[in-house]
Amino acid sequence: GAGVSQTPSNKVTEKGKYVELRCDPISGHTALYWYRQSLGQGPEFLIYFQGTGAADDSGLPNDRFFAVRPEGSVSTLKIQRTERGDSAVYLCASSSPTGTSGGVSTDTQYFGPGTRLTVL
Amino acid sequence: AQSVAQPEDQVNVAEGNPLTVKCTYSVSGNPYLFWYVQYPNRGLQFLLKYITGDNLVKGSYGFEAEFNKSQTSFHLKKPSALVSDSALYFCAVRDEETGGFKTIFGAGTRLFVKA
Repeated sequence: GAGVSQTPSNKVTEKGKYVELRCDPISGHTALYWYRQSLGQGPEFLIYFQGTGAADDSGLPNDRFFAVRPEGSVSTLKIQRTERGDSAVYLCASSSPTGTSGGVSTDTQYFGPGTRLTVL
Repeated sequence: AQSVAQPEDQVNVAEGNPLTVKCTYSVSGNPYLFWYVQYPNRGLQFLLKYITGDNLVKGSYGFEAEFNKSQTSFHLKKPSALVSDSALYFCAVRDEETGGFKTIFGAGTRLFVKA
């Protein structure tokens, strides 16, 4: 079946502009995650949705970053007043609930190919 | 704070030889550990995970990993490497202190398998 898809695959913008990055999760997956991966680093958690609500947004670096998932499926990551330091690959992942063990999710996350954002 | 360390930036191994990619972790609660692989221009692919139970976990493509609580390690292994295993490998951890869903990734280890 179809995996997680992300659009656009590449986005080049100028400093100060607004960008939106889209994620289409695997059908039926209720959990959705956004990560940011800088060159030479592992993915860095940004935000997690369970359904329509953001259950954990502790990874968003500042208030220029915002994400929505209004119908519990597609999600959009929005970045205002972009800065050169925002340049990175933005990854989306989704998962289907498999339960918890000791309060920790046992879900396996399935990742999309990412959107490479370049801020000039 | 929770963290994952992958002490080797790069691992080189000859095809047919066994490979090990190292991972150590630091969490305050019980760890839930994962390995992912990233091929060029592709998303991360899940290899295996440890939740509870048997310390030796078997995953995709012939990979396995051993959870060692006393050494706080979760090294990835494969008995016989293939050239096609060349990729970037990430270890990751989750625990209840991170909220149960937030996953912390290591910086990655690049594996080169030489023919």
